Amino acid sequence: KNEVEQSPQNLTAQEGEFITINCSYSVGISALHWLQQHPGGGIVSLFMLSSGKKKHGRLIATINIQEKHSSLHITASHPRDSAVYICAVIRETSGSRLTFGEGTQLTVNP
Amino acid sequence: EPEVTQTPSHQVTQMGQEVILRCVPISNHLYFYWYRQILGQKVEFLVSFYNNEISEKSEIFDDQFSVERPDGSNFTLKIRSTKLEDSAMYFCASIGLGYTIYFGEGSWLTVV
Repeated sequence: KNEVEQSPQNLTAQEGEFITINCSYSVGISALHWLQQHPGGGIVSLFMLSSGKKKHGRLIATINIQEKHSSLHITASHPRDSAVYICAVIRETSGSRLTFGEGTQLTVNP
Repeated sequence: EPEVTQTPSHQVTQMGQEVILRCVPISNHLYFYWYRQILGQKVEFLVSFYNNEISEKSEIFDDQFSVERPDGSNFTLKIRSTKLEDSAMYFCASIGLGYTIYFGEGSWLTVV
């Protein structure tokens, strides 16, 4: 079983829809990252969370440490949001390395 | 916006050949990483580097792999004798104060 599980694996939305991507993890963590992988392969960090909630533009990320769960929300989705969104954690017991989820492929249609 | 740069962007090599992937991390960052992503799979950790030495490595990072920071700016990943299963995208990353992680654009390695 993967230590980091994401759902859904694939998500198709219409422009303007509110989107939620979920991440559950089974290990103790010191931080959780949400990353965006572009079609060309490049990876960009969106958020790093250790508690609570963060917002950047139309993106909101939340984490519940007790439930070992995080969500990434996109409000007013746009075709340019189409990408793979990856949840990755820093385990308490493994220094600063990231353990990655499988990613969620998001497609936003105009 | 600071950036991590990687070269080459794509390399095709014969099985058994040595490959060196190069990275220039962000200058004031302290932690450096190599990750890889086999096509269609999730990203996997290879190795982390701090204070001019390896701080962690995964089971993937066996004797055919090595890392160096030869001149204080470049950070290299060497694969001594490439195998077909080494074909992947290799990402360099670095972390500075605040723990925001920055990834390079990746180096596509194809072993034929």
